[in-house]
Amino acid sequence: GQNIDQPTEMTATEGAIVQINCTYQTSGFNGLFWYQQHAGEAPTFLSYNVLDGLEEKGRFSSFLSRSKGYSYLLLKELQMKDSASYLCAVRSNTNAGKSTFGDGTTLTVKP
Amino acid sequence: DTEVTQTPKHLVMGMTNKKSLKCEQHMGHRAMYWYKQKAKKPPELMFVYSYEKLSINESVPSRFSPECPNSSLLNLHLHALQPEDSALYLCASSQDAGPSAGELFFGEGSRLTVL
Repeated sequence: GQNIDQPTEMTATEGAIVQINCTYQTSGFNGLFWYQQHAGEAPTFLSYNVLDGLEEKGRFSSFLSRSKGYSYLLLKELQMKDSASYLCAVRSNTNAGKSTFGDGTTLTVKP
Repeated sequence: DTEVTQTPKHLVMGMTNKKSLKCEQHMGHRAMYWYKQKAKKPPELMFVYSYEKLSINESVPSRFSPECPNSSLLNLHLHALQPEDSALYLCASSQDAGPSAGELFFGEGSRLTVL
């Protein structure tokens, strides 16, 4: 099975940097995804890591350490529109490649 | 076209009604998914179709019946639902299925209320 942990809530200031952590335990790892979900909307894909290291995409970066079962999503130059829920999802290399979502981290960006 | 389209956006039904949720994608994706999401909770996988065949059923009650008429369409037939089935139902697709599936593209969801 899979166990995924993320902080429930975080608050940060506009223009700042915030790091959202995700730890996981899985019987077979085959990639980790980060999704953003605004209230009342569908999740949208942000990033994907399958190898160790940092993936950078504009203001967003994601890091993975497979040996530690750890990932983080780094958001720079925070904007008010970044207030959303951030979901970490781990894909299995068994069970038909099913992805399991963590409970999500609700980020509130304040002026 | 990078959209997954779901209809209806909102649905209210009684416990004896029969209704269907519909999902469509034209990205040539070979896998399609139904997720259920309750307020302030993550999406929970219900069904996965891969190449139009049901590949995962997460022990979903039979009052939910999925159907994949072709590679672009996915339906969820609803019958004799319970009030606790009220939730946001999300359809998603990915380029492929299984361990090399790629990211999920989600529709806007159908918000279901069962009275």
